[in-house]
Amino acid sequence: ETGVTQSPTHLIKTRGQQVTLRCSSQSGHNTVSWYQQALGQGPQFIFQYYREEENGRGNFPPRFSGLQFPNYSSELNVNALELDDSALYLCAYYSTRGEQFFGPGTRLTVL
Amino acid sequence: GENVEQHPSTLSVQEGDSAVIKCTYSDSASNYFPWYKQELGKRPQLIIDIRSNVGEKKDQRIAVTLNKTAKHFSLHITETQPEDSAVYFCAALNQAGTALIFGKGTTLSVSS
Repeated sequence: ETGVTQSPTHLIKTRGQQVTLRCSSQSGHNTVSWYQQALGQGPQFIFQYYREEENGRGNFPPRFSGLQFPNYSSELNVNALELDDSALYLCAYYSTRGEQFFGPGTRLTVL
Repeated sequence: GENVEQHPSTLSVQEGDSAVIKCTYSDSASNYFPWYKQELGKRPQLIIDIRSNVGEKKDQRIAVTLNKTAKHFSLHITETQPEDSAVYFCAALNQAGTALIFGKGTTLSVSS
């Protein structure tokens, strides 16, 4: 649809574990943002990467970290998982007009 | 901090009626206001947006209005159809231009 892909689709982890989520865009946009969407809530901004550097961060602890690669794909890493980390994780790429288009998301369940 | 309030949280209309969803934002420096539609189990999809240099924008049955003085913006859907049933989110771009601040969403149900 939007050319933005995420993997995996679903993931189940236990408390204390670590997880890596991935995102890429067919068009190779240089700006990517990550959002957390808890059930029944709107997406919440985690951070943004621009040309491989973190360019803004929301109210999330340091155990949420990210990377952006030279091909502009991106990773979200979460350490020491907590039950409240269970959510849909969305990445979004920017169009040339500044619109944000979301990937299909990764559903993370922490038991 | 920056905040976006959205009302109502649920909205039920008959097919063919109009639906209006309203949002207010706190950051007077915000200049970009998109609306997203999210169907069950799917990603949020951008349906319309407005920038602070215009007061209204239309796209077929959907329109958005912006009142910068009052820090209000609204989504108007005319001639609603059952396929319009979804959760709608308003958002405002933060001052730094890095993050969309979302409202809590409105669940729209259109019955035929």
